[in-house]
Amino acid sequence: AQRVTQPEKLLSVFKGAPVELKCNYSYSGSPELFWYVQYSRQRLQLLLRHISRESIKGFTADLNKGETSFHLKKPFAQEEDSAMYYCALTTDSWGKLQFGAGTQVVVTP
Amino acid sequence: DTAVSQTPKYLVTQMGNDKSIKCEQNLGHDTMYWYKQDSKKFLKIMFSYNNKELIINETVPNRFSPKSPDKAHLNLHINSLELGDSAVYFCASSASTARVDTGELFFGEGSRLTVL
Repeated sequence: AQRVTQPEKLLSVFKGAPVELKCNYSYSGSPELFWYVQYSRQRLQLLLRHISRESIKGFTADLNKGETSFHLKKPFAQEEDSAMYYCALTTDSWGKLQFGAGTQVVVTP
Repeated sequence: DTAVSQTPKYLVTQMGNDKSIKCEQNLGHDTMYWYKQDSKKFLKIMFSYNNKELIINETVPNRFSPKSPDKAHLNLHINSLELGDSAVYFCASSASTARVDTGELFFGEGSRLTVL
């Protein structure tokens, strides 16, 4: 069965410092991977997906199949990046997402 | 304007009661989901419906019964509530079809259920 692991429950960084959220997955095939974000008092929403290879709000994530990782990175954290971040994986065609446990990011000035 | 709306947002009830949570989406999506978020913020899928048809049914007690009267609505009824049912329940929708989709789910604000 597939599994998504986010080892850090809480990540506290200073404004302007780089931030990296770790995500590892276990799946023998080719999964689709995503990062979702939940800002305070807002809905959970899609941040980015690996197939798009896009940078959203300064965040990027590279799928490393050798290491089965999909870490989320941003070179300079901003206070507005404080949120709960979920890594998610889907392996079927019905959009069934399996989420990691989430990482709470706190950016302090 | 709200894309995915759930009611109620908060629900406090006694053990043994039966309760329902309603969800509606106005995005024209074909697929809707129920996710459960436990006290540790872990999100786990419970059910999914595509065009009113059940397509995902995870290992969930049969006290939980989803109902989709049409593709814009997915309700969750819970019988004989237990303490462990206390959680935040999220409804979501997506444009999934039988082909691989973009994986973008649109979530509701969540319904916080507290069982006393």
